[in-house]
Formats: sequence, structure tokens, C-alpha cells
Amino acid sequence: DQQVKQNSPSLSVQEGRISILNCDYTNSMFDYFLWYKKYPAEGPTFLISISSIKDKNEDGRFTVFLNKSAKHLSLHIVPSQPGDSAVYFCAASLGASGTYKYIFGTGTRLKVLA
Amino acid sequence: DTAVSQTPKYLVTQMGNDKSIKCEQNLGHDTMYWYKQDSKKFLKIMFSYNNKELIINETVPNRFSPKSPDKAHLNLHINSLELGDSAVYFCASSLRHAGGTEAFFGQGTRLTVV
Repeated sequence: DQQVKQNSPSLSVQEGRISILNCDYTNSMFDYFLWYKKYPAEGPTFLISISSIKDKNEDGRFTVFLNKSAKHLSLHIVPSQPGDSAVYFCAASLGASGTYKYIFGTGTRLKVLA
Repeated sequence: DTAVSQTPKYLVTQMGNDKSIKCEQNLGHDTMYWYKQDSKKFLKIMFSYNNKELIINETVPNRFSPKSPDKAHLNLHINSLELGDSAVYFCASSLRHAGGTEAFFGQGTRLTVV
């Protein structure tokens, strides 16, 4: 059962424009959502997170929006740069104290065209 | 200086062999993880250790045995390797075992069983 879904396997955007990556989830008990970026032959690196009690979190060019009623979150990158080309994973954390785990989506490959 | 390092980066071995993957973190984190990324790109948690104690064992076959000799190390030993074990294995660590805490990943070990 895939609790975190990224339905777009790939996305191409022109440099300078906005990139919007989407993520849907099914479990209303998730308490945090995180975005990771992954370059080839490297491990994922943390980008930005949001608590389930918030609806927006911003860090520089990156903004994450959470719509709890729709069980949907999105990552906006403005302006997009060629160095942003990578695979982006959405992750959600679940669990009581001491048993937290992250559940990842399958990723969206972003290509920013110069 | 690499924060989370795992060795080897590539591992090719025959079915039935026993192999180990080593992981070390120099971040002073309390929690370490093993994740498996399969051919469909799902990144799934296998194990989580907090202060050398096993916290999560995500229904992984008992051919997989993690060992944490100290807080900075979490090694993964795999007995009787099968074709289906071929995947990329990522080690990760986080400051504490709590929701929303970012995890730092190693570069991954690509295991190929032939």
C-alpha cells in the first residue's frame, strides 16, 4: 500500500520559471512532511520540511504548501536553476515517540532547461 | 569530511554468498537507519537504531542482520544472498528519533546479486 505518491515521474521546466512538484498521501496521521533532493550516485539530501499543523513553509527559493483536507503537498522552486535538476522525493513521518519512520514517494525527476 | 559514509559503493556477488555493508557517521547523531531502494525506485526503511538499540525492523527477512557496535556505526550483514536482494542500500542518520528530524544519507551501496 503506497501511502505517499508522486504521480509525475518527470518534469521539465525552463530556467527562471517556477517548478511545482506534487505529492499526495493517504494517511491523515502523518505529522511531518519532508522534501529531499537526490543527484545521481549520491544519497538524498534534505531540502525543506513542514509540520502537519502548518500550511506553508518557505526557505529561500523553496516553498512547501500543505493542503490537509486534500492530503496534498507541493514544492515550489522559484526561480528554477539548472543546478536544481535532480530527483525530488517527498517523505512523510509517522509514529509514536520512539518509533518514527519516514515513508517516501517514488520521486519526480526535475530537469531545468537552460 | 563525509558526514555519513558507507562502504563499499558497489558490490557484485553471487547468489548464496554472505556480504556486509559498513556505515559510519561523524555527526554525533543518536539515530541511524538502513533504507533499500529497489528497481521501482521505492525508498523503504529496513531498520532504525537509536543509541545502539533496534527501534524499527520493517518486516525484513532475517537473512538481514544489522549490527550497531556503537552510536556512530550501523553495519548491515546479509546472509544467503538472493537475486531479489539486488538494490541500492542507503545508510542514514538523524540527530534524534523524532518526526520532522532531517536524515542525512550516505551515497548508497549498489548491490548486484548474480
